[in-house]
Amino acid sequence: GENVEQHPSTLSVQEGDSAVIKCTYSDSASNYFPWYKQELGKGPQLIIDIRSNVGEKKDQRIAVTLNKTAKHFSLHITETQPEDSAVYFCAASSPGTYKYIFGTGTRLKVLA
Amino acid sequence: KAGVTQTPRYLIKTRGQQVTLSCSPISGHRSVSWYQQTPGQGLQFLFEYFSETQRNKGNFPGRFSGRQFSNSRSEMNVSTLELGDSALYLCASSFDSQKQYFGPGTRLTVT
Repeated sequence: GENVEQHPSTLSVQEGDSAVIKCTYSDSASNYFPWYKQELGKGPQLIIDIRSNVGEKKDQRIAVTLNKTAKHFSLHITETQPEDSAVYFCAASSPGTYKYIFGTGTRLKVLA
Repeated sequence: KAGVTQTPRYLIKTRGQQVTLSCSPISGHRSVSWYQQTPGQGLQFLFEYFSETQRNKGNFPGRFSGRQFSNSRSEMNVSTLELGDSALYLCASSFDSQKQYFGPGTRLTVT
């Protein structure tokens, strides 16, 4: 069935270093890949997304890359700050399904 | 624009009872989706509504149901509550049915 695998489950980095979170999806029809940040007690917040016709997208310190052939996509956060500490979720969506399949989440800790 | 609002934010119910959760989408958004979030199963899709029509449903028992009103507000109902229904229930709204914006969630505890 449809599945999105996400790694690592936890990630600790020093402030100022980069963080990379990777996801793999199973449905080759997937064409939309959002990333969400969830802080304690809050709902997921959309931080960046990418569509299947694009290989890379950047927004300030955050970037997402997509490899359709390998069915991989990754989130890159540069110059990490303590406020980047949160749980990050990747997701994949296929046309006509009107739903996301979520990864299992990555708890990112940025150490000051 | 105001974000997605969900009420109530917290709820405690007893096994066997039923519960109704409410979601008001971002103004202009006609698609509303519901997800269940638990530590063990993560984020799982419940159902999606657009213009009062359910377009997709996840793999949940029939005790879980929903509806959408003409003003795009949505409700979900869980009947005959079980301990395993304890979760954070998240509502998301979308204009284009892909980019979804989540509300803060309703934390349901079943005792």
